[in-house]
Amino acid sequence: AQKVTQAQTEISVVEKEDVTLDCVYETRDTTYYLFWYKQPPSGELVFLIRRNSFDEQNEISGRYSWNFQKSTSSFNFTITASQVVDSAVYFCAPGKLTFGTGTRLQVTL
Amino acid sequence: GAVVSQHPSRVICKSGTSVKIECRSLDFQATTMFWYRQFPKQSLMLMATSNEGSKATYEQGVEKDKFLINHASLTLSTLTVTSAHPEDSSFYICSAKKGGDYGYTFGSGTRLTVV
Repeated sequence: AQKVTQAQTEISVVEKEDVTLDCVYETRDTTYYLFWYKQPPSGELVFLIRRNSFDEQNEISGRYSWNFQKSTSSFNFTITASQVVDSAVYFCAPGKLTFGTGTRLQVTL
Repeated sequence: GAVVSQHPSRVICKSGTSVKIECRSLDFQATTMFWYRQFPKQSLMLMATSNEGSKATYEQGVEKDKFLINHASLTLSTLTVTSAHPEDSSFYICSAKKGGDYGYTFGSGTRLTVV
């Protein structure tokens, strides 16, 4: 079974601030995938990244970056220079079946 | 790309009626699709795994006779909410996976309101 904890329920930042969304997971699998999704107010889920458990290289994609630490079972997501359009609920998912409770990010002017 | 189309986006139905939601993979074939349910301000809960040409696999606590899933082709899965009641009102979303690094692509979701 897999379990994921997104301890931050809601985060509010001012535009241009950096923000990090935390994700801690539990799994008994030796190899697994980790995902982050974004759900804007319109409702659809947008795939952001998939990380394989044996690849601990951190990744940067534009203003997004991910910090995967297998030793602490964490897969944190950072948005640099946040924008209003980043306002959404962000879900961390260890695999396709389990989603965290989500972190609602509100970016204001 | 990997596009999943879900229809309808919104539906209002009367209590006791049935509603069918379609999930189509537009530019790829998906032998497996997934159906989720999301209550307001809550996470997604996997309801069932839809397998092309065979019976769906339901998660514990999900009523098979209530939520009928049909995956008759490699590009289409349908979820039928039978004899809908107000407590079935929710946001239903499907997903499918294309090979490679596309991850899981989600449909745009269907907001069902049973009155």
